[in-house]
Amino acid sequence: DIQMTQFPFTLSASVGDRVTITCRASQSISNWLAWYQQKPGKAPKVLIYKASSLVSGVPSRFSGSGSGTDFTLSISSLQPDDFATYYCQQYNSYSRNFGQGTKVEIK
Amino acid sequence: QVQLQQSGPRLVKPSHTLSLTCAISGDSVSSNSVAWNWIRQSPSRGLEWLGRTYYRSRWYHEYAGSVKSRITINPDTAENQFSLQLNSVTPEDTAVYYCARDGFCSNFACSFDYWGQGILVTVSS
Repeated sequence: DIQMTQFPFTLSASVGDRVTITCRASQSISNWLAWYQQKPGKAPKVLIYKASSLVSGVPSRFSGSGSGTDFTLSISSLQPDDFATYYCQQYNSYSRNFGQGTKVEIK
Repeated sequence: QVQLQQSGPRLVKPSHTLSLTCAISGDSVSSNSVAWNWIRQSPSRGLEWLGRTYYRSRWYHEYAGSVKSRITINPDTAENQFSLQLNSVTPEDTAVYYCARDGFCSNFACSFDYWGQGILVTVSS
């Protein structure tokens, strides 16, 4: 199984900050990676697919990069609506594993 | 707009069967271009894909190795929905269960673009 490791586990930031979340795969997944945002009591919402492609309707302050084993999700200027937990998910292999999540908190 | 509406019991006794249904609107369970998944989330296991069903001239079913011996996912074309059955449950199966549609795909697997609202199922006597 491909393991997905995210860091940091928790991130404290202020409105307007640029934040970056890292996701590392235990083996190469090419660029078959998605990022999700989840708020308490809600289902995850897909933000980015194929590592860097923005889903229609998602604000352009979200961006993704990376390929192979190392990936990042960046938020260029954090907004109040962005405080949430973010997950990466690989879809290069049958197991479709998710990372353990990064919680973005208000500083 | 695709919407997925989940239903089913919130409390299941140990060794019994967990059963959930996901009703689809805005798409078809028999679509030839997507698949229909069950995913669960718990503090101990995180987000875990359980399996999917899809139609490509015939019905296919794929299951995660961790639950393969206990799981069945079935389509219901008359009601345009699909179901999850998980047998012989233990407290470790306590989780929020989601249904979801395949989104963007590689040659091997997919991300998930539409999700149900989630149901917390507790396994307890």
